[in-house]
Amino acid sequence: DIQLTQSPSSLSASVGDRVTITCRASQSISYYLNWYHQKPGKAPNLLIYAASSLQSGVPSRFSGSGSGTDFTLTISSLQPDDFATYYCQQSYSPPLGFGQGTRLEIK
Amino acid sequence: QVQLQQSGPGLVKPSQTLSLTCVISGDSVSSDSATWTWIRQSPSRGLEWLGRTYYRSNRSKWFNDYTLSVKSRITINPDTSKNQFSLQLNSVTPDDTAVYYCARGDCRAGSCRDTHWGQGTLVTVSS
Repeated sequence: DIQLTQSPSSLSASVGDRVTITCRASQSISYYLNWYHQKPGKAPNLLIYAASSLQSGVPSRFSGSGSGTDFTLTISSLQPDDFATYYCQQSYSPPLGFGQGTRLEIK
Repeated sequence: QVQLQQSGPGLVKPSQTLSLTCVISGDSVSSDSATWTWIRQSPSRGLEWLGRTYYRSNRSKWFNDYTLSVKSRITINPDTSKNQFSLQLNSVTPDDTAVYYCARGDCRAGSCRDTHWGQGTLVTVSS
């Protein structure tokens, strides 16, 4: 199985900050990497697919980059609604596992 | 607008079978560009992808993929007559206690992503 490692595991930031979360795959997955965020008690919500494609309806302050084994999610200017847990997921080959999550908290 | 509605018991006894159903509206379980997935989440395991079912008309068949850790215990089945899909997990233990989600995967250009999710069902395994 392909393993995904996110860093950091948690992050404190302020409204307006630029934030970057990384996801490293245990083998090359080309561009087959998705990003979600999740609020407590809710299902995950898709932000970015295929490493850099913005899902319809997601604000443009979210962006993704990377290919092969190293990927990043960037939030250009944090908004209050962005404080949540972020997960990467590989869609290269089943099982389509997730990273362990990055909890983004208000500083 | 695609919507997924989950149903099933919230309490299952150890060694019994966990059964959940996900009813689809706004799409077809036989859709050529979709996959139908079960995912669970617990504090100890995080988000765990369990498996999926999907139909591809160019092969005229249904496909299933399962994660290895539950492969001997899991079945995901489509029901075209009711436009839904189901999860069965046999011989459950307390370690199977989790919130279970169904999800619709949008698969185009070889890239699949889960765009729609059910509301989640907390399943507790306890006697």
